[in-house]
Amino acid sequence: DAKTTQPPSMDCAEGRAANLPCNHSTISGNEYVYWYRQIHSQGPQYIIHGLKNNETNEMASLIITEDRKSSTLILPHATLRDTAVYYCIVRTADTGRRALTFGSGTRLQVQP
Amino acid sequence: GAVVSQHPSWVICKSGTSVKIECRSLDFQATTMFWYRQFPKQSLMLMATSNEGSKATYEQGVEKDKFLINHASLTLSTLTVTSAHPEDSSFYICSASTHTGELFFGEGSRLTVL
Repeated sequence: DAKTTQPPSMDCAEGRAANLPCNHSTISGNEYVYWYRQIHSQGPQYIIHGLKNNETNEMASLIITEDRKSSTLILPHATLRDTAVYYCIVRTADTGRRALTFGSGTRLQVQP
Repeated sequence: GAVVSQHPSWVICKSGTSVKIECRSLDFQATTMFWYRQFPKQSLMLMATSNEGSKATYEQGVEKDKFLINHASLTLSTLTVTSAHPEDSSFYICSASTHTGELFFGEGSRLTVL
């Protein structure tokens, strides 16, 4: 799986958009970008994933650059409950027989 | 979405005792489950991969005789920490894979060994 680089921490004001960047310059053509988050003392929660097109769901939007070397997770209206560690993971969408490998992630602190 | 449940959510035990943590997929069958542990302020580290009906595959540095994994059914995997010591105190998290390859995580189990 390709390596990802994320800033260690970010702050965001409540109600504003939170934009979390991720670099994955060695991504392969068949690798997807996945985002998970972990709220303190809980298990990771799936947020969104994409291959090359931008994706949106009820939680967030994922913007992937045209060269696929980086992406941004956007939480459009951050709330205090979005305070968590956000993990960007690059991997193939295989049968799920391989575990996810977690890096250090970005610790997002949403400020009131 | 799919639900993965862990039990207990927290446990305190004395040094030298064994502790069993259960991981259940509540609404789907999981042929593969994964066990992670997480120390304070660190990321999740994969311990082992558990396949139903076969022996678990352990990551390098994880003692298979200390961390016993059993995956006897398609909805249940257990992790037993044998002869627990204070350095085994950690947050243990399981993950289960659906047949379409989606991965879902349990709520985690916090083990404190006194």
